[in-house]
Amino acid sequence: AQSVAQPEDQVNVAEGNPLTVKCTYSVSGNPYLFWYVQYPNRGLQFLLKYITGDNLVKGSYGFEAEFNKSQTSFHLKKPSALVSDSALYFCAVRAPSGGSYIPTFGRGTSLIVHP
Amino acid sequence: NAGVTQTPKFQVLKTGQSMTLQCAQDMNHNSMYWYRQDPGMGLRLIYYSASEGTTDKGEVPNGYNVSRLNKREFSLRLESAAPSQTSVYFCASSEDVGLAETPYNEQFFGPGTRLTVL
Repeated sequence: AQSVAQPEDQVNVAEGNPLTVKCTYSVSGNPYLFWYVQYPNRGLQFLLKYITGDNLVKGSYGFEAEFNKSQTSFHLKKPSALVSDSALYFCAVRAPSGGSYIPTFGRGTSLIVHP
Repeated sequence: NAGVTQTPKFQVLKTGQSMTLQCAQDMNHNSMYWYRQDPGMGLRLIYYSASEGTTDKGEVPNGYNVSRLNKREFSLRLESAAPSQTSVYFCASSEDVGLAETPYNEQFFGPGTRLTVL
C-alpha cells in the first residue's frame, strides 16, 4: 500500500528566510507527487506536481519542490518566506495500486511564518 | 466558472438523523471524490467516482453512501449520523480519463462542509 509521511506537524520560519516542508513517500512503481496548500476555512489548492523529467519543479507563489528518487522524498521549498505563506501544506502521491491511482495524502504540515 | 461548489457550508445534526451533502463541478471533469478532514489525520478518502456511472469505496466508506447523479454532481449521504462523523467534508474533482490512464492530474477542491453531529 502506498503512503505519504510529513514528519513535521509544524514548521516555524522567520519572514525572509528560506523554508522547507518535508515529504517522503512509499509506493510500488513510479510515483506522481503533488503539493497542496490550505488556507484557514478554505479548500485545498494545488501548488505543484512532479510527473517526470527534471527533478526540480516550480509552482505557484514562488514555491518549488525537489524529487529525490533514492531518498523517496519530495520536499517543498521557497527561497524567501512571506507571512502570507502561513497555511497548512499537504503532500500527496498517486502511484499504481491494484490498477488504480487513487491519491493518498499526508497528514499535513502547518507552516508559520513570523514577521 | 465556479469550479467545485459544495452545499451546505455548515450543518449540525443529531445522532441518527440523515442528510445529503451536495457537490457540483463545472469543469467537465470525469473523476470526483469525497474526503473527510480531521485534525492530525489529514485527508481520508471516503468514496470516489472515476467516471459518470461508477463509484468505488475509499479508505473510510462505512456509514456513507454516494450517488454520481450525472457528470457534474456527486452527492454524499449519511443515513444515520453518528458523533464520529463530525468532520469537515471536502469534495474534489480531477480531469482524469480513467484513474490509471491519466494519474498525473491534480485535484480541484471545494470549500468544504463543516458537519457537527451531537
